[in-house]
Amino acid sequence: DAKTTQPPSMDCAEGRAANLPCNHSTISGNEYVYWYRQIHSQGPQYIIHGLKNNETNEMASLIITEDRKSSTLILPHATLRDTAVYYCIVRVLIKAGANNLFFGTGTRLTVIP
Amino acid sequence: EPEVTQTPSHQVTQMGQEVILRCVPISNHLYFYWYRQILGQKVEFLVSFYNNEISEKSEIFDDQFSVERPDGSNFTLKIRSTKLEDSAMYFCAGVELLNTEAFFGQGTRLTVV
Repeated sequence: DAKTTQPPSMDCAEGRAANLPCNHSTISGNEYVYWYRQIHSQGPQYIIHGLKNNETNEMASLIITEDRKSSTLILPHATLRDTAVYYCIVRVLIKAGANNLFFGTGTRLTVIP
Repeated sequence: EPEVTQTPSHQVTQMGQEVILRCVPISNHLYFYWYRQILGQKVEFLVSFYNNEISEKSEIFDDQFSVERPDGSNFTLKIRSTKLEDSAMYFCAGVELLNTEAFFGQGTRLTVV
């Protein structure tokens, strides 16, 4: 799986959009970009994923650059409950039953009142 | 919303003792995983399980570890002879199809004394 690079920490004012960048310059054509977050020591929570098109769901938007070498997770109106560590992960379908997630150190997002 | 259930939430055990961590995955999930997170460190992949056999395992998953799904529902992780360094949060995860999101349980905090 391709490696990702994320800033170690970011702050965001409550109610503003949080834009979390991720670099994945070695991504392959068949690798998807996934975002998870971990609030305190809870289990990681899925946020969104995409291949090459921008994606939006009820939690966030994912913007992937045309060359797919970077992406941005957007939380449109950050709340205090969005304070967490956010992980950008690229994964490829290796074989049935594998396809495990490799977590990096992520970005610690702190939403400030 | 269906969820992955892990028991116990916290287990304290003496070094050298066997422990079994239990997970009840979401019913339509086909692929299962165990991850661990030592306090303050990254989430690390341990093992993936599909079609009643191990698909992949990491270097961490040595002969002291085993997994099984004996009754088609519970998915267990056994550590035969615990060491102090096995102290960590252990997360179970499941996936329905290969390219869908992984759902994580809330974890079991294992403390080896």
